[in-house]
Amino acid sequence: DTAVSQTPKYLVTQMGNDKSIKCEQNLGHDTMYWYKQDSKKFLKIMFSYNNKELIINETVPNRFSPKSPDKAHLNLHINSLELGDSAVYFCASSQGQGRQFFGPGTRLTVL
Amino acid sequence: SQKIEQNSEALNIQEGKTATLTCNYTNYSPAYLQWYRQDPGRGPVFLLLIRENEKEKRKERLKVTFDTTLKQSLFHITASQPADSATYHCALVGGTASKLTFGTGTRLQVTL
Repeated sequence: DTAVSQTPKYLVTQMGNDKSIKCEQNLGHDTMYWYKQDSKKFLKIMFSYNNKELIINETVPNRFSPKSPDKAHLNLHINSLELGDSAVYFCASSQGQGRQFFGPGTRLTVL
Repeated sequence: SQKIEQNSEALNIQEGKTATLTCNYTNYSPAYLQWYRQDPGRGPVFLLLIRENEKEKRKERLKVTFDTTLKQSLFHITASQPADSATYHCALVGGTASKLTFGTGTRLQVTL
């Protein structure tokens, strides 16, 4: 029944490693997003895909690469992890510009 | 530069009172504004959407106003309860398709 799911929920890794976070939505939405939430709870959009096409690409280091294999999935791959990448990453989906449905988040800790 | 600011990081209120949260924006012409609630360890959950041509929207104990002249939205929770304690985010949609820009968030604590 979960509308937007993400895996893993927690990710602890060393600096310099490469990691991926997966997201899936079963709502039939055409648009998916990745957000980063810092320790002060500020949510910042990173990427948005509409029907597998990248439509928003904020000022994000190119170590971050999103991939959308189909409308229901949006994955985030991060290369050469840095301490400053530690945050909670949220996936979300919407139909057009409607309300957004968020996943439970992935807490990334870089040591 | 564009900014979306919400009142103080934390708001403490007594049960039964009305909580009022503020969202002020500069250098935006939003098509509409949304409010989300976020509980610790969870993702934000949509509450209400108000369009630029609407002055007020209500849903149960929640009321949102939108003043495009003042560039401000107010979010009210009447008869607040401890279960209303959470972080509340306002977010604007404008500019690039579907881009939702969030405010700084306000943590509401309702005490007995």
